[in-house]
Amino acid sequence: AQKVTQAQTEISVVEKEDVTLDCVYETRDTTYYLFWYKQPPSGELVFLIRRNSFDEQNEISGRYSWNFQKSTSSFNFTITASQVVDSAVYFCALSEANGNKLVFGAGTILRVKS
Amino acid sequence: NAGVTQTPKFQVLKTGQSMTLQCAQDMNHEYMSWYRQDPGMGLRLIHYSVGAGITDQGEVPNGYNVSRSTTEDFPLRLLSAAPSQTSVYFCASSYSVMRMNTEAFFGQGTRLTVV
Repeated sequence: AQKVTQAQTEISVVEKEDVTLDCVYETRDTTYYLFWYKQPPSGELVFLIRRNSFDEQNEISGRYSWNFQKSTSSFNFTITASQVVDSAVYFCALSEANGNKLVFGAGTILRVKS
Repeated sequence: NAGVTQTPKFQVLKTGQSMTLQCAQDMNHEYMSWYRQDPGMGLRLIHYSVGAGITDQGEVPNGYNVSRSTTEDFPLRLLSAAPSQTSVYFCASSYSVMRMNTEAFFGQGTRLTVV
């Protein structure tokens, strides 16, 4: 069965600090896909990144970076030089290639204070 | 291109009432799904559809019905609302169940309160 664990319920940082959001997943499939979504206070879900299980390259997009490590079943998300606008709930999610659903973690609330 | 449109955005129901949450997408996506979001529990899958005429249960299907008569529409019906169904509901679509590697597009959400 697929499972996603985001152990950090809530994180508070001061603006300009770096912050890492953890995501640990479980799956029996060798082919799967990992996602991060952002939910700002307005409530919509914003797609951030997709990563397939065969691509362990880290990715950087501006202040955002992702570290995918199959050895530890983790797909962590780092925000560098955080800003108040980064305050949101962040969800990690997993889908299996042979499955038919997207399984979400419980989410991490990130509060960035000025 | 509207993407995924959900209506209504807010709804208050009395216990025992029924209602339908509407979801429509204009991207010709095969796969559509409904999730509910509750504090501390992330998003949980209620029902999903892999194409017109085909639906299946997700993780928390009890108390909800769905149908998929067209590719575009995937309504969610609450048969007899209960306070436990107070939640935020999201509809999502993606290109194909066989291509879940593509991102899911989400609607704006419906905040439902059952009193």
